[in-house]
This record gives sequence, structure tokens and C-alpha cells, in this order.
Amino acid sequence: AQSVTQLDSQVPVFEEAPVELRCNYSSSVSVYLFWYVQYPNQGLQLLLKYLSGSTLVESINGFEAEFNKSQTSFHLRKPSVHISDTAEYFCAVTFTGGGNKLTFGTGTQLKVEL
Amino acid sequence: KAGVTQTPRYLIKTRGQQVTLSCSPISGHRSVSWYQQTPGQGLQFLFEYFSETQRNKGNFPGRFSGRQFSNSRSEMNVSTLELGDSALYLCASRLGQAWEQFFGPGTRLTVL
Repeated sequence: AQSVTQLDSQVPVFEEAPVELRCNYSSSVSVYLFWYVQYPNQGLQLLLKYLSGSTLVESINGFEAEFNKSQTSFHLRKPSVHISDTAEYFCAVTFTGGGNKLTFGTGTQLKVEL
Repeated sequence: KAGVTQTPRYLIKTRGQQVTLSCSPISGHRSVSWYQQTPGQGLQFLFEYFSETQRNKGNFPGRFSGRQFSNSRSEMNVSTLELGDSALYLCASRLGQAWEQFFGPGTRLTVL
């Protein structure tokens, strides 16, 4: 069965500390991988994507994610978080052959504290 | 370039009523998808439209329907509303064969 798992529902972290949000997927077909961020009372913003090529992808605000095919993972990392990074983060996968729909994980609430 | 817009942003209805939500994609985007977000079920795919044709459908009852117009704007309709239909409904658009989808701010539907 095709699925996406975000094991951590909440991750508290102090400002300027590093953080990793975990995402694993289960699939027998090729995948396209995405991370979206959602701020309170807003829609989803695309943070970064892996479609092909380099397995390490970066966003403009310091986040990065690495596609690991053998471990079927796409973990999101940031070396130093800021209070403004407080939001909910969703990992999403498009499974090839299944149309263009996104299958989402359950989300990880990142709370950055002073 | 303007992003995806959704109207209305907030809506309150009572059980048994029907509701229509509207989505205008990013200019040039011809694919529109709809998702439902609830605390219990998370984000779930409803359907996708491309060039006025439904291309993919999620696992929702027939009370949920949609359509797309020639200008790529899309509407979704929910008939005979139930309390469980209370959710944030998100619309996303996609450019041609690109894989990434861009989301609107959502319509918050409350069913009383």
C-alpha cells in the first residue's frame, strides 16, 4: 500500500537550534516528494520538492531535505531555526501512475521557543 | 503574478443545505485540484480537473462534486451537508505537466 508517515506530531525546539522533521513513505513505484508549510489560518506553501537529479534539495529560507531511496525517506532539516519557523509542516508524495494527486502525511507541528 | 484565490474564505451552513465553493487558479494553470483538511482525517484529495474534465477522484461520496470552466476556474459543490463536512477546503493549481501544486488560502466551512 502507498502511504506517507510523519512520525512526530509535535517537535519543540529552541531558537537557533537545529531541527529535523522526519518523513517516510511506502511505495512500489517511483515518487515525487514535497514539503509544504502551513501557518495558522492559511493555505499550504510549497517549501521544497524532489523530482529528479540531486537527492539534496534546498529552499530559499535555509531548509533542506534529502531523498534517500533505500530508506524511503525525505527528512526535512534546518541547521538553525528562527521563531518565525513555527508552523505545521506536511510531507507530501505523488506516486507515479496514480495521477497527480498528493498524498499527505499527518503533519508535524514545529514550535520554536525562545 | 497573482496566486490561487478562493472564495468565500469563511462559510457557515446548516445540516442538509448545499454549498458551492469557488477557486481561481494561477494565470496559465489549467489543472485544479481540491483537498479537504480536517483535524481527524488530515489532508485528503477530493478531485482534479484539467481542461474542464475530471481526471482523478478521491474516495468521497457522491455528495461532493466539482466542475471546471473554460477559463480554468473551478467550483466544488457539496449537497446535503453533514456535520462531518466541516473542514478547510483547499484548492491547488498546477502548470501543464509540472508536478508541483500551488495552494490557495482555503475556504473554512462550518456546518451547524
